[in-house]
Order: sequence, then structure tokens, then C-alpha cells
Amino acid sequence: AQKVTQAQTEISVVEKEDVTLDCVYETRDTTYYLFWYKQPPSGELVFLIRRNSFDEQNEISGRYSWNFQKSTSSFNFTITASQVVDSAVYFCALPNTGFQKLVFGTGTRLLVSP
Amino acid sequence: GAVVSQHPSRVICKSGTSVKIECRSLDFQATTMFWYRQFPKQSLMLMATSNEGSKATYEQGVEKDKFLINHASLTLSTLTVTSAHPEDSSFYICSARGPMLTQYFGPGTRLLVL
Repeated sequence: AQKVTQAQTEISVVEKEDVTLDCVYETRDTTYYLFWYKQPPSGELVFLIRRNSFDEQNEISGRYSWNFQKSTSSFNFTITASQVVDSAVYFCALPNTGFQKLVFGTGTRLLVSP
Repeated sequence: GAVVSQHPSRVICKSGTSVKIECRSLDFQATTMFWYRQFPKQSLMLMATSNEGSKATYEQGVEKDKFLINHASLTLSTLTVTSAHPEDSSFYICSARGPMLTQYFGPGTRLLVL
């Protein structure tokens, strides 16, 4: 069965610091997707990125970047020059076999202080 | 694009009453929607998968008669918490499966049963 591990329960940084959120996954599927979602204090989960398993190119979107390493089954998320508005819980997820539902990690709470 | 609304955002009810929560995909059609429950500082717990025009698929341990799900159209799924009790108080979040198997989430509903 699929499994997603986010070992960092909580991370605290000061504004403008760079921070990396780790995500390690387990799956026997040869084709899969990986996702990151952001959950700010308001509660709504915001979709950040979807990555195909056959596309290992790193992706950058503004201050956000993602490092997909198939060899280590990791899909890490880096925020550059963090801001207070980045404070949220971040979830990594991948679908189960058959893509019926998402398997979520336990989330990493990021606190960015001024 | 890919906006999901959820209504109400917050509801307080008396023990024994039923509460209906609506989840709508506003700009795309969703044959599959999902209902989650989230306890404070925890990850999302999938309750059921809602399929348009057919019965919902419930996760193990979720009472079908307690949490009634109806997915009557490609843009609307409803969750009815029947005979609510204080232990049903929680944050309920819906999502709709959109393009590329991506789940887009609603803003959530905070239910408080007195």
C-alpha cells in the first residue's frame, strides 16, 4: 500500500529564511502522481503542484521549488525567502493504486515569524 | 479555474438534529467527489468517495446511516450528518476530482454540535 512520510512535524523560521519540507513516499506503482497542498489557518487546502512520476525535472514557481528524486522516493518542497503568509500546514500526497483516492502525509506545520 | 465551494462554512446545531453540507464544483464537472474529516492538528481522514449517479463508497469505520452522501449531479455532492451528537463536531472538507486526477478542495465546514 502507498505511504507518505513527512517526518518534520513543525518547522519554525524567521522571515526571509529558506526552508525545505521533506516528503518521502512508498509505492509499487510504476506510474503515479505526487501532490503538495497548503492548508493556511483558514482551513482550505490549496493545490500547489502535481508531478508525474516520469518527469523528474525540478520545478520552480516563484519562491516555491520542488525537487523530485525517484531514486530516493522523495519529493521535497523548498520555499525561498519565506514570508509570514507562508505559515500553514503543508501536505504531501499520492494516489493509491487505481487512482481512487489520495494518501496524505501527516503534514508539516510551518511557522514563519517576522 | 478549478474552484470548489462548500456551504455552510460554519454551523452550530443541537444534539439530535441533522445537518446538510453542500459541496459544489463551480467551473468543472466532477464525477467523483470526496468527503474528509479533520481533527485539530491532524491530517485529513477520508470518510467516503462520492460518485455521481451511484452509491458512495465509505471507508472502513464510517457509518453509512450516520453520514448520508448524495451526488445527484456532476457539480453537487451533499453530506448529511444525521442525528448529530457532540462527538460529530469536527471540520469537514470536501474535494472534487478535476483534470489530471487532481483533487480541488472546498473551504471546509466547521460543525459544532451542542
